[in-house]
Order: sequence, then C-alpha cells, then structure tokens
Amino acid sequence: ETGVTQTPRHLVMGMTNKKSLKCEQHLGHNAMYWYKQSAKKPLELMFVYSLEERVENNSVPSRFSPECPNSSHLFLHLHTLQPEDSALYLCASSQLRDSPWDTQYFGPGTRLTVL
Amino acid sequence: KQEVTQIPAALSVPEGENLVLNCSFTDSAIYNLQWFRQDPGKGLTSLLLIQSSQREQTSGRLNASLDKSSGRSTLYIAASQPGDSATYLCAVPEPGGGNKLTFGTGTQLKVEL
Repeated sequence: ETGVTQTPRHLVMGMTNKKSLKCEQHLGHNAMYWYKQSAKKPLELMFVYSLEERVENNSVPSRFSPECPNSSHLFLHLHTLQPEDSALYLCASSQLRDSPWDTQYFGPGTRLTVL
Repeated sequence: KQEVTQIPAALSVPEGENLVLNCSFTDSAIYNLQWFRQDPGKGLTSLLLIQSSQREQTSGRLNASLDKSSGRSTLYIAASQPGDSATYLCAVPEPGGGNKLTFGTGTQLKVEL
C-alpha cells in the first residue's frame, strides 16, 4: 500500500450505531487530518494531529471522537450520529503541521450515510 | 476569516477547448495557493502549488497564476480532454494557521467528446 488509505470506503449506519473510520498513511508524515465534505459545501477541517497529539478541534460535536495511536494511523469513532452527518470523510497527512508550504496528501475518503 | 470562492460552479466544454477556472480569496496575506483535483467519490490530488512569491506554475497542460494583491488565482487548462473531467478545488493556508487549509467549493468540469 502506498500513500494514504482509508477504510471502509462506504458506510451506512443507523443513528444509534457505533462505528469507526480508519486512516493509514505510508508516507512517514508527522501530521494527520480529518475533513468533512458535504454536498455543495467547502471541505471543513475537523481535527488535526501532530506527532500523535491533537492540536486542533474545529468545534466538532462530541459524537465524533478522533484517535491517533501512532503517527501512521488515525481513527474517527462515530456514535449517535444524525442524518446531517452524512458526507464524505477525508483523511490527509503532511510532513509538518506548522508549515504552510507543506502539501497535504489525501486518502480516497469514506462515504458515510446516516439513516 | 479567509473566504475562498470559485467561479463557475460547473462548466461543460467540448474536447480540445482551452478553459480557465477562477478562484478568489478575501485575505491576501497568504503563503501559497494550491489547486487540487477531485474525481467523483474520491480524495483530492494536488495539481499545483504556487508560492506567494511566484506568479505562475506550470505542469503539462495546466498553468496556474496567482495575483495576491487582487486576491485571485486562475487555473488554465489547455486542449482539454475527457479525462480532465473532475472537480477542481483551490485552497489557501489560513493566515497564521500553519497548514490549516481553507477550500473553495470547487468547479465541476465536464469535457465532452
């Protein structure tokens, strides 16, 4: 595997379910990101991790819970979601968190549908 | 707060046509501007990154320009092909925000045979 991978690619869940999204980067990067992409809206940054420490939480509801056990893996735990949480969830990584000159590399995303 | 706008929202052109996509941003204190491509249901692929000190970047049939003072960037695609059909997004780092990117809503391009 190369680049940034995400599993599952598609997920359908009920509002009472608990599920997790997984992201893995094979680039040796130190920063990882979760984004939400809803229809007709710009990508919204949800969380940023740098060296396994959460450095950013963009006012995301507590029903989304990130976890970064090591610099290569990032999870997004989901529970008690709402239908409006249906979106494409994208993971990205970059070498550095603080450098604006650093390109982010994106995974293919998980298409989440909440019924 | 930085806002990024892309016009048009959607564009359909015949194969072979040259086209221009537009991106504007409200805060000109940017380090760089990046253009991404997104295929349906897929992640983003970085196409070009223009540093604030540069005016243009080229990659193959793609040419991106940056005018910081006017808060605008354009992505020029020469001799468009059906394989260019995708959504094109521009993004800038938030002022003082390190690598936090603010994205536009994108231009959905369809190149028809």
